[in-house]
Amino acid sequence: QLVLTQSPSASASLGASVKLTCTLSSGHSNYAIAWHQQQPEKGPRYLMSLNSDGSHSKGDGIPDRFSGSSSGAERYLTISSLQSEDEADYYCQTWGTGIVVFGGGTKLTVL
Amino acid sequence: EVLLVESGGGLVQPGGSLRLSCAASGFTFSSYWMSWVRQAPGKGLEWVAIIKQDGSDKYYVGSVKGRFTISRDNAKNSLYLQMNSLRADDTAVYYCARGRGNTAVGGFDIWGHGTMVTVSS
Repeated sequence: QLVLTQSPSASASLGASVKLTCTLSSGHSNYAIAWHQQQPEKGPRYLMSLNSDGSHSKGDGIPDRFSGSSSGAERYLTISSLQSEDEADYYCQTWGTGIVVFGGGTKLTVL
Repeated sequence: EVLLVESGGGLVQPGGSLRLSCAASGFTFSSYWMSWVRQAPGKGLEWVAIIKQDGSDKYYVGSVKGRFTISRDNAKNSLYLQMNSLRADDTAVYYCARGRGNTAVGGFDIWGHGTMVTVSS
């Protein structure tokens, strides 16, 4: 079964870096994912697509502070030079034939 | 500008029906998979349904199979979601989203602002 697992919460200080993790279920370690950001009271915003080899394709206007990487079944979103507007929920998403799956989301708090 | 604009949400009684629409602009609508995604109050994102570029393939999350129908009109650049036999747990903001893939749906790279559906007596 295709499942994405995310930690419910993370926190980091203003100006620091944070690395969020999305883990693919067993047998699906070669799947690509997408990362989305949802700021409070707003709709989701596409950040990037991330392949198993770590190559990624960012959405229009996404700052260089956002980057992606991969290791095995884990997909990472790293945000550097944290700003207050980065405080948001972050969701990973993957897909297969006839199915789309979202992770439970990680709530990022900027201290 | 690439835009997705949803409409048709509202308050409906349990067992009732509602039809959501999504108007697309700024891109070649017929070239993309399209999807509906929902978010219940205080909860995470949940995929609802996807439809292939030409409408030939449609897929649904298990909880809505047999009750919801996704469709599209490429001539009108529009996506639809017909929702029947609505239940309280269908209450959510419903988002229209574009899939960036070709043979598979891919990541959702464009999102609408959402439309609220409330199922309550």
